[in-house]
Amino acid sequence: DARVTQTPRHKVTEMGQEVTMRCQPILGHNTVFWYRQTMMQGLELLAYFRNRAPLDDSGMPKDRFSAEMPDATLATLKIQPSEPRDSAVYFCASGLVGTFYEQYFGPGTRLTVT
Amino acid sequence: AQTVTQSQPEMSVQEAETVTLSCTYDTSESDYYLFWYKQPPSRQMILVIRQEAYKQQNATENRFSVNFQKAAKSFSLKISDSQLGDAAMYFCAYRVHRESGGGADGLTFGKGTHLIIQP
Repeated sequence: DARVTQTPRHKVTEMGQEVTMRCQPILGHNTVFWYRQTMMQGLELLAYFRNRAPLDDSGMPKDRFSAEMPDATLATLKIQPSEPRDSAVYFCASGLVGTFYEQYFGPGTRLTVT
Repeated sequence: AQTVTQSQPEMSVQEAETVTLSCTYDTSESDYYLFWYKQPPSRQMILVIRQEAYKQQNATENRFSVNFQKAAKSFSLKISDSQLGDAAMYFCAYRVHRESGGGADGLTFGKGTHLIIQP
């Protein structure tokens, strides 16, 4: 049963600390997305990659957020320095261009910045 | 920019009854996809149903069906024979389809509808 995995599932940190969230896409999927979910804004697209290359990160605050794909099996989202307003659930999703292209979501990382 | 609007923050339905969740969207694109996702308390996003804009026939998946009105830019979800396990947040989502440039973009979501099932 192929799934997107995300670690950690929960993260509590203090303001100013660096946070790294990791995602393992489904094997063979060539597109990875990062979304953020908050009560106020709902689900927002932060960035996405195709074949490990960033295609769009316009939804991401550039000064503190960065997203990378070091290899095809790992995507990372970093926040440095973290702020209380970054508290949210961060979802990773993967898909395969060329098919109907469903996006399969991971379980999310719940981030709390105090 | 594309927008997706779900005008019902919360809906309640009796078990075994039918409920319809509303969704409207705004886009200048002609080729796109529409989705309904379910998010139970576990927060896992689960794809319920999808619709290609070029298809006139409404999609169905077991007890779930959509009413897709392209001209009106409306995409409602009907859940028949509601079950307790249907209780969740439901999100309508849109994605443009491009033949060039990779063929896919990220999803634009509505704010969601909280569905309550009354036993």
